[in-house]
Amino acid sequence: ELKVEQNPLFLSMQEGKNYTIYCNYSTTSDRLYWYRQDPGKSLESLFVLLSNGAVKQEGRLMASLDTKARLSTLHITAAVHDLSATYFCAVDLEYGNKLVFGAGTILRVKS
Amino acid sequence: GAGVSQTPSNKVTEKGKYVELRCDPISGHTALYWYRQSLGQGPEFLIYFQGTGAADDSGLPNDRFFAVRPEGSVSTLKIQRTERGDSAVYLCASSSVTSGANVLTFGAGSRLTVL
Repeated sequence: ELKVEQNPLFLSMQEGKNYTIYCNYSTTSDRLYWYRQDPGKSLESLFVLLSNGAVKQEGRLMASLDTKARLSTLHITAAVHDLSATYFCAVDLEYGNKLVFGAGTILRVKS
Repeated sequence: GAGVSQTPSNKVTEKGKYVELRCDPISGHTALYWYRQSLGQGPEFLIYFQGTGAADDSGLPNDRFFAVRPEGSVSTLKIQRTERGDSAVYLCASSSVTSGANVLTFGAGSRLTVL
């Protein structure tokens, strides 16, 4: 059974600081997804990583995938308050099949 | 439509009642998913449709839960004899698998409260 674990589960950081969220998964897969969820809202797709060594960047967020280590990271550079949200990673085992989500990382960026 | 539409957005019911939640996916998306999200948790998979058929219903917690998608578009999640533990946000998502990526577009969810 595929398990997806994120850490930390809660992250409070100051504006301007850097930090990394980690996503580990238990079964070989080369497809990993990052989503963002604002309070009371639905999930919004951030990144899709489709191969070992894939790296995607959007603004202050950068995601990478190491399929050998079964690990993805979401790196936050010079955090700003607008990045406050819950971030989920998700993995699918088969093309077009269900996504299995981690528990999420609640990020709070303090001014 | 432009996005995934879910109705109702909020539903309060009493224990033991029957509930239907509706999902209208993005036009042309063949895959449709139902997830359940409890407070402070990640989305938990319930069922996945490819066209009209349920390709994977392994996440349905018990036989009180059932979902249909009779014409390959709109889907209804049906919950019989609701229990307090069924309270959660039920999320629907649809996708059109392209370029090897299965990017799900989620609706705003239906918040179910069972009293």
